[in-house]
Amino acid sequence: QVHLVQSGAEAKKPGASVKVSCKASGYNFPSFGVSWVRQAPGQGLEWMGWTSTSNGNTNFAQRFQGRVSMTTDTSTSTAYMELRSLRSDDTAIYYCARNGGSSLWYPFDNWGQGTQVTVSS
Amino acid sequence: QSVLTQPPSVSAAPGQKVTISCSGSSSNIGNNYVSWYQKLPGTAPKLLIYENNKRPSGIPDRFSGSKSGTSATLGITGLQTGDEADYYCGTWDGSLSPYVVFGGGTKLTVL
Repeated sequence: QVHLVQSGAEAKKPGASVKVSCKASGYNFPSFGVSWVRQAPGQGLEWMGWTSTSNGNTNFAQRFQGRVSMTTDTSTSTAYMELRSLRSDDTAIYYCARNGGSSLWYPFDNWGQGTQVTVSS
Repeated sequence: QSVLTQPPSVSAAPGQKVTISCSGSSSNIGNNYVSWYQKLPGTAPKLLIYENNKRPSGIPDRFSGSKSGTSATLGITGLQTGDEADYYCGTWDGSLSPYVVFGGGTKLTVL
């Protein structure tokens, strides 16, 4: 059974960075890409980017370019998302989601439980 | 504003049928598969429909999807109170970044 387990809630000050982890189990990790999606309070879903778990390639939404990093560790089947220069409007629940195949062009067939990130001074 | 347009809310009585629309353009829905996700309060989204009209294993056939041109539709029959949730359409957009786009979400209320 596929499981994606994310790290716990984070509280950060504006300007800081946050790194969220997503540990996968129940499947061959390098065979499926991982995307990150967030939901701000009262808002809809917003795709942030994708990372290949086999070669480390990434694609990011333009609004996050230069501020986000997505990496993976195949030895522990864990994906990471780091967001820098945090602002108050980065307050959101951050989800990792497994793409249904190796590339970006697959829907999100399994999701982590979400990680609340709160940015406040 | 979201790239894909959904109605903010829909409602229907238990046992009835409801449809949720998702409108886009030739750069997204018109040339790519559409997926639908269900988001119950306090839980992670769940894939309901992929490739316009396919259901993952475990998704009941009360849920259906269709696509025509630059629009897609999610249908739910035999409504249950447990279907109350937010529903999001999603696809890819070849003309811009972000590559993946979602609708703004539709709140389904089962009266």
